[in-house]
Amino acid sequence: GDSVTQMEGPVTLSEEAFLTINCTYTATGYPSLFWYVQYPGEGLQLLLKATKADDKGSNKGFEATYRKETTSFHLEKGSVQVSDSAVYFCALRETSYDKVIFGPGTSLSVIP
Amino acid sequence: GAVVSQHPSWVICKSGTSVKIECRSLDFQATTMFWYRQFPKQSLMLMATSNEGSKATYEQGVEKDKFLINHASLTLSTLTVTSAHPEDSSFYICSASPQTGDGYTFGSGTRLTVV
Repeated sequence: GDSVTQMEGPVTLSEEAFLTINCTYTATGYPSLFWYVQYPGEGLQLLLKATKADDKGSNKGFEATYRKETTSFHLEKGSVQVSDSAVYFCALRETSYDKVIFGPGTSLSVIP
Repeated sequence: GAVVSQHPSWVICKSGTSVKIECRSLDFQATTMFWYRQFPKQSLMLMATSNEGSKATYEQGVEKDKFLINHASLTLSTLTVTSAHPEDSSFYICSASPQTGDGYTFGSGTRLTVV
C-alpha cells in the first residue's frame, strides 16, 4: 500500500541554519503531497502542499517540490528560527481514497 | 480559512466510563471527517473515516464497538470511547477538508487520560 518515509530525527540546528527534511513516498497513483507541522500539545497545521508533479509548495519561508521521478517531497528552509521548533510530518493523500497517510514525523529543535 | 473545532481539548475519566469527543467544521460542510490517534512522539494513526449519514469505516485493528463514531450532520462528528481503560489514554485528533484533493484541516486535538 501507499506509504511515506521521512528522515529520522530529532534534528537540532542553530538559528539561521539551513534546513532539509527528506521525505519519500510510495504510491500507485498520483497523490497530493503535504507537509504538516505540530507544535507541542497542539493539533496539526497544514504548512504547504503540492498536488501534481513539479509543483512547488511554499509558506513561511518553507518550500518543497513534488518530484515524481524520485518520488520525493523534501522540505527546505533557508534560515530557521527558534520558533520553527516543532514536529514536521510529510503526508500524502491517495488519489483513490480520501484518507491521508502520514510519515513518522521529524522533530526539529532550533537553538539560539 | 477552513476551521475545525475539537472539544474538549483535554479530559480525564475513570476506567469503565465513556467519553465523547466532538469535531465540528465551523465554516464549511464536511461529508467526510477523519479520526486519528497519536501516541507520544509518534505519528498519527488513522482510526476511522466518518461519513455523514452512514456508518463509519474503521481501519484494520480498530475496535468499532469501543470507538463509536457518529456523523449526524454535515458539520459534526463525534467519537465516543466506550468503557475506557488506561491503554486508551492518547491524543485524539479529527480532520476534515472543505474540498476534494485539498489539504485537511485538523482540530486542535483531545488529550484523553484514563485513570
